[in-house]
Amino acid sequence: DAGVTQSPTHLIKTRGQQVTLRCSPKSGHDTVSWYQQALGQGPQFIFQYYEEEERQRGNFPDRFSGHQFPNYSSELNVNALLLGDSALYLCASSLVPGTDTFGSGTRLTVV
Amino acid sequence: KNEVEQSPQNLTAQEGEFITINCSYSVGISALHWLQQHPGGGIVSLFMLSSGKKKHGRLIATINIQEKHSSLHITASHPRDSAVYICAVENTGNQFYFGTGTSLTVIP
Repeated sequence: DAGVTQSPTHLIKTRGQQVTLRCSPKSGHDTVSWYQQALGQGPQFIFQYYEEEERQRGNFPDRFSGHQFPNYSSELNVNALLLGDSALYLCASSLVPGTDTFGSGTRLTVV
Repeated sequence: KNEVEQSPQNLTAQEGEFITINCSYSVGISALHWLQQHPGGGIVSLFMLSSGKKKHGRLIATINIQEKHSSLHITASHPRDSAVYICAVENTGNQFYFGTGTSLTVIP
């Protein structure tokens, strides 16, 4: 049974560009959460999707947006990239609280 | 102030030593998670606790709900235990708060 799958694993973008990161949840999970982890820091909550709608949102600007599809997979979009957006982006899926499974992350470098 | 505080931030140990990493939190939780993150970023869930103590191999995790404190212990540490260990708490709304992690290096 595959766990959480994220793609791509690494990505380099230039300042001002837009990026889309993808996450496929663990089989049976219906909730997807996204986190940003800057170097040397703990992950920070970006937002959570359930039933194709954003259910919760952390303290991130509107440049960060997302989407959840009917098959529960999710995308994270970041517009107008800044150098400070360089980070590891983690996706976690769950069915009920306490079942969270993390993906291995997408390493985004903005140059 | 962070909702989750971990200590120490960095830890170097000799192979075979007993290791303790501490986590204190300030929010109401439904569960506390200990995560292991290796270079490259991949995260592995070690434990999920809501009370008491859990053991898996050489790893032991405890939680004291009244004191809002948890500890992760590693017995007979090994160089392959070298990683960043992250404490995360989950509130009743399924939202996580993460500590900044403890970077552990075990020297042969």
